[in-house]
Amino acid sequence: QKEVEQDPGPLSVPEGAIVSLNCTYSNSAFQYFMWYRQYSRKGPELLMYTYSSGNKEDGRFTAQVDKSSKYISLFIRDSQPSDSATYLCAMSAPRGSTLGRLYFGRGTQLTVWP
Amino acid sequence: GAVVSQHPSWVICKSGTSVKIECRSLDFQATTMFWYRQFPKQSLMLMATSNEGSKATYEQGVEKDKFLINHASLTLSTLTVTSAHPEDSSFYICSARDASGRSDEQFFGPGTRLTVL
Repeated sequence: QKEVEQDPGPLSVPEGAIVSLNCTYSNSAFQYFMWYRQYSRKGPELLMYTYSSGNKEDGRFTAQVDKSSKYISLFIRDSQPSDSATYLCAMSAPRGSTLGRLYFGRGTQLTVWP
Repeated sequence: GAVVSQHPSWVICKSGTSVKIECRSLDFQATTMFWYRQFPKQSLMLMATSNEGSKATYEQGVEKDKFLINHASLTLSTLTVTSAHPEDSSFYICSARDASGRSDEQFFGPGTRLTVL
């Protein structure tokens, strides 16, 4: 079983739709959870960064972490064609642990059509 | 803030040659940098962890003699692909962690696309 599971999609939605992206993980030591957006032929850019469980909102983006279920989500409201990209979830354990590196999901390819 | 650059952004080389890729943290110091490779429509695969002033730590299955990593300063790490072959063609991405310890965030470079003919 992979450390982090993410449905690769592709996911195609109309402009204005609410998008839900999800990842599951197996290692309970993970405490830092991130969502990255990657445009084609570019490096990933950090979208959301969450520590432990709870919700975090930034504009049209909301990140949720449910550590009891080992499940994280990213919601995009009022999606725009410019949101079309690959979204990667990533997570890590505290820096001092042997799991201090980032563990990535496979990425979900999202297309928002006008 | 927190900008990471890579050079070159793309490179084409002949089989058998060596290629050096630079990763720089522009506005922060990074004791740890990471090197990833990414194949089309795949996620990032960690190749190695680069530690300033010490040897890199390679992931299982990554040949350390083929992918040479040097982290000579707090703002620069280099990856050299030695005797490159067509199967080494990929998108190579580095990331850097802020040495100040303010967070566990990693900041990614824009990537280097390597094509080996």
